[in-house]
Amino acid sequence: SQKIEQNSEALNIQEGKTATLTCNYTNYSPAYLQWYRQDPGRGPVFLLLIRENEKEKRKERLKVTFDTTLKQSLFHITASQPADSATYLCALDTGRRALTFGSGTRLQVQP
Amino acid sequence: DTEVTQTPKHLVMGMTNKKSLKCEQHMGHRAMYWYKQKAKKPPELMFVYSYEKLSINESVPSRFSPECPNSSLLNLHLHALQPEDSALYLCASSQGTLRDTIYFGEGSWLTVV
Repeated sequence: SQKIEQNSEALNIQEGKTATLTCNYTNYSPAYLQWYRQDPGRGPVFLLLIRENEKEKRKERLKVTFDTTLKQSLFHITASQPADSATYLCALDTGRRALTFGSGTRLQVQP
Repeated sequence: DTEVTQTPKHLVMGMTNKKSLKCEQHMGHRAMYWYKQKAKKPPELMFVYSYEKLSINESVPSRFSPECPNSSLLNLHLHALQPEDSALYLCASSQGTLRDTIYFGEGSWLTVV
C-alpha cells in the first residue's frame, strides 16, 4: 500500500541546535514534495516546495532535501528557536488530484 | 493571516441538527478543498472542487454535503452527524489541483453532542 511516514511523532531539541525531520514515502513517484507548519488549533501553513529534479531548497533558516532514489525528504531548521515549536507536515502528490499529508512530527525547541 | 476565511470558528450541534460551514477565498484560485483533522492526526481529504465542479469525493458519508456556489465560496452542509464527526474542518484553496501549494483557512472546530 502507499505510505507517507514521518520519522517520529515528536522531536525535542535545545535552542540553537539544528532540527532534522524526515519524510519517507513508498510506492509513489511524486514530482513535488511540500512541507507545511501547523500550530495547535490552526490550519497548516505552506513553507517550502521542492521538485523531483532539485536536490536541495533553502529559505532563510530552513533547508529541504529530496532524494528520489531513497524516497526521502529531510527538513532542517538551523539555529532553532522556541518559536519554531510546531507540528511539521510533509505532503506530496500521490497520483490523485490532491496532496496527501504525512503523519506529522511535533517539534519542541527548549530554551 | 490566511486569505481563506472560514466561519464559524466553533460550532456545537446536536445529532439531529442541520448546520453549515462556510469558506471564502479571494485569491482567484480555481480549486477548493475540505479536509477533516482529528487530534494529533494529519488532515484527511474529504472533497475537492475544481472549477466549481466536484472532482474528488473521498467516500465521505452522505451526512456531509459539499456545495460550491461560485469559484470563491465553498460550503459544507451537515446533517445527522455523529459524535465521532467532531473534529477540525479545514477549508483550503489552490490555483489548480495536482501538486499546487494549498492555502488553508484557520478551520472550524465542530463538536457533535
